[in-house]
Amino acid sequence: DADVTQTPRNRITKTGKRIMLECSQTKGHDRMYWYRQDPGLGLRLIYYSFDVKDINKGEISDGYSVSRQAQAKFSLSLESAIPNQTALYFCATSDFHRDTRTNEKLFFGSGTQLSVL
Amino acid sequence: QKEVEQNSGPLSVPEGAIASLNCTYSDRGSQSFFWYRQYSGKSPELIMFIYSNGDKEDGRFTAQLNKASQYVSLLIRDSQPSDSATYLCAVWDPNAGKSTFGDGTTLTVKP
Repeated sequence: DADVTQTPRNRITKTGKRIMLECSQTKGHDRMYWYRQDPGLGLRLIYYSFDVKDINKGEISDGYSVSRQAQAKFSLSLESAIPNQTALYFCATSDFHRDTRTNEKLFFGSGTQLSVL
Repeated sequence: QKEVEQNSGPLSVPEGAIASLNCTYSDRGSQSFFWYRQYSGKSPELIMFIYSNGDKEDGRFTAQLNKASQYVSLLIRDSQPSDSATYLCAVWDPNAGKSTFGDGTTLTVKP
């Protein structure tokens, strides 16, 4: 089974609809992230969470909201979807080592392809 | 200016050649640098990371870091068709606790 699981894998919705993308992980990591990928634009950070009570906006948070229901679950919501939110969405986790501050390796889910018509 | 810039692709090399992928970053406070490989339609996977100036080798992959020049590169020796993918450079901001990605370079290795 995948360590970082995203649901759904694909979703088609209409403009103005509310939609939620879900992410769960079994890696035991504290940090979770939501990224968006558009063709040719790499990964852009939407929101990130260091623990259940610590949620931060990324570079493109407008139009999105998140909920960290538990250490293992981090969901992304589009309150009123619009066509330019059509993209591939990735959830990721990292196991940040406070002692050494040596690294932040990201582990990604399989992605959710969202199409807003 | 983008925070993390990668050389524009696509990059095409013949099988067995060395592929060189380059990345520059703007924040001198950056501490950790990562290379992710992403096959078409798949999620990114970490293949290399480097923290100190110099070279770091792992099999056919070598990461090179020059903090003075704010430059990090990935060399792939003896390139194989299975190396054909998009390579993403990521730079970690220790103050914000997050990584910023470049737009990626697509590599094609021709048999």
